Amino acid sequence: AQSVTQLGSHVSVSEGALVLLRCNYSSSVPPYLFWYVQYPNQGLQLLLKYTTGATLVKGINGFEAEFKKSETSFHLTKPSAHMSDAAEYFCAVTDSWGKLQFGAGTQVVVTP
Amino acid sequence: NAGVTQTPKFQVLKTGQSMTLQCAQDMNHNSMYWYRQDPGMGLRLIYYSASEGTTDKGEVPNGYNVSRLNKREFSLRLESAAPSQTSVYFCASSTLNFLDRGSYTFGSGTRLTVV
Repeated sequence: AQSVTQLGSHVSVSEGALVLLRCNYSSSVPPYLFWYVQYPNQGLQLLLKYTTGATLVKGINGFEAEFKKSETSFHLTKPSAHMSDAAEYFCAVTDSWGKLQFGAGTQVVVTP
Repeated sequence: NAGVTQTPKFQVLKTGQSMTLQCAQDMNHNSMYWYRQDPGMGLRLIYYSASEGTTDKGEVPNGYNVSRLNKREFSLRLESAAPSQTSVYFCASSTLNFLDRGSYTFGSGTRLTVV
């Protein structure tokens, strides 16, 4: 079975500071890993994904994530937070049939 | 714009009432999904349809039924609504391409309140 655990339900960062959102996964098969973002009153949209190959994955809006098999982690980072990054972020893993299993989410607040 | 369309956007039901949430996609995707989102619990899969003509239960199917009407449309029905079904419901779609698995397109959601 597949599962993900997101550490921290709320994260507050200052504008211009590093954004770091933590995600650990459990998977019985080689994982496909994802980060999705949800802006207020909207659906989720794909931020980035890891399938195979390069372990450092770059996504939209300056975000990137690194797959570390030895640590079963897929943490999301952005070097410099912007006010527009305020949103909820979800880490997810697929099973072999393509169904996504989501983490509980991390709400990001950006302060001026 | 191509995407996933959900109707209605908001709904208030009384306990025991029934309703159907509609979802349509024009992405030419084979697979469709219904999730519910509750605070602190992320998104949980209710039902999914891997391809036209098939439906399967997800993690939390009790109290719900689905219909895959055709390739574009996948509806979710609450036969007798309960307060525990107060939630935000999301429909999503994806291709059957193995390399693209997990890359979903989501609708904007239906916010349902059962009183």
